[in-house]
Amino acid sequence: LAKTTQPISMDSYEGQEVNITCSHNIATNDYITWYQQFPSQGPRFIIQGYKTKVTNEVASLFIPADRKSSTLSLPRVSLSDTAVYYCLVGDPMNSGGYQKVTFGTGTKLQVIP
Amino acid sequence: DAGITQSPRYKITETGRQVTLMCHQTWSHSYMFWYRQDLGHGLRLIYYSAAADITDKGEVPDGYVVSRSKTENFPLTLESATRSQTSVYFCASSAGGGSYNEQFFGPGTRLTVL
Repeated sequence: LAKTTQPISMDSYEGQEVNITCSHNIATNDYITWYQQFPSQGPRFIIQGYKTKVTNEVASLFIPADRKSSTLSLPRVSLSDTAVYYCLVGDPMNSGGYQKVTFGTGTKLQVIP
Repeated sequence: DAGITQSPRYKITETGRQVTLMCHQTWSHSYMFWYRQDLGHGLRLIYYSAAADITDKGEVPDGYVVSRSKTENFPLTLESATRSQTSVYFCASSAGGGSYNEQFFGPGTRLTVL
């Protein structure tokens, strides 16, 4: 299984930038993907990258050259950013050539007013 | 409506009963997944399917059975429900495997086994 390690929880005040780092033992040439999950909802995709930096309207993703970690950056968080954030990479393909992913426990971000 | 749906949204059953959770997607995605989510455990993969008639175990498959005769449907059956299977179950689909392909999640089914 591909293994990712993230902090279990983080607290941040509104308006601050939040950085969540994930370490991973990537055994494939797969992308690194981050999902966000609000209470009582399924996770939703927020950002993805292979190397260097990726930015979209929601977040930025920094991936160093060795790809053994990645950092999700949320600029100026608000209360609505309170959620669980998962980083994931693909597991190695099985004997049939099919590939799944492992979500793990994620990082619970609590934004404080 | 297009998207991914799950039914029922809530289910209460008794120990030993058979329960089937339904999942339907309208995108013709080849991959479909079943996860369970318990407090403190994050999302754990039960089973996944790479295409119709192709299924494989995830992390926690014991006590569950899946089938996929049609691309759009991926039912999950608890053959003899146990209290430890009380959980929130999420179905997801994606165009392909790995982390490159975005997974789209259904609204979840909250199952309580008494």
